[in-house]
Amino acid sequence: DTGVSQDPRHKITKRGQNVTFRCDPISEHNRLYWYRQTLGQGPEFLTYFQNEAQLEKSRLLSDRFSAERPKGSFSTLEIQRTEQGDSAMYLCASSLVVGAPETQYFGPGTRLLVL
Amino acid sequence: DAKTTQPTSMDCAEGRAANLPCNHSTISGNEYVYWYRQIHSQGPQYIIHGLKNNETNEMASLIITEDRKSSTLILPHATLRDTAVYYCIVREYNTDKLIFGTGTRLQVFP
Repeated sequence: DTGVSQDPRHKITKRGQNVTFRCDPISEHNRLYWYRQTLGQGPEFLTYFQNEAQLEKSRLLSDRFSAERPKGSFSTLEIQRTEQGDSAMYLCASSLVVGAPETQYFGPGTRLLVL
Repeated sequence: DAKTTQPTSMDCAEGRAANLPCNHSTISGNEYVYWYRQIHSQGPQYIIHGLKNNETNEMASLIITEDRKSSTLILPHATLRDTAVYYCIVREYNTDKLIFGTGTRLQVFP
């Protein structure tokens, strides 16, 4: 039973560049979440999908951020025109909703550093 | 905002029980208490959750007070590998997201 995987694990980019992260959820999990975590803080919710539908987006998710889950399996999170403030750990979690409550399982995260 | 308050840090001797408290005085009747932990530079790891009754699994025990305004996570025999930040989360009924606070940093020492 493989867990949630994320790629890349680390990304260093220059300000203004675009970056894309990938998340592969646990097989057959129908929900997929993205969170962001800055140093010393707990993770903050960004967005989530049920199958391929994006059901909620946080106001933290500016216009420069876009997330997709085209076939209801893996998901991508793209950040356009990166800024230094985007430096953070980006976490993906997945869950299987068969009734309340669901349990979210997290991946190892992608650590982004914007220079 | 997170609906829980936790001590910023705690210490525990290896082999002893670690008891991590959490206050959630505004919890509603249908809201669950979840515990996650995060070891340095890794993603959060699910530990346990509960509604009203005490719960136990292979990792920990969760004790919820009768009025549900507070809970305690118990690691029965702490090891050095249990050193981590522990998050207590009240899963709000009408939301699917987890709202994390800043957690308790548990340091297990030899």
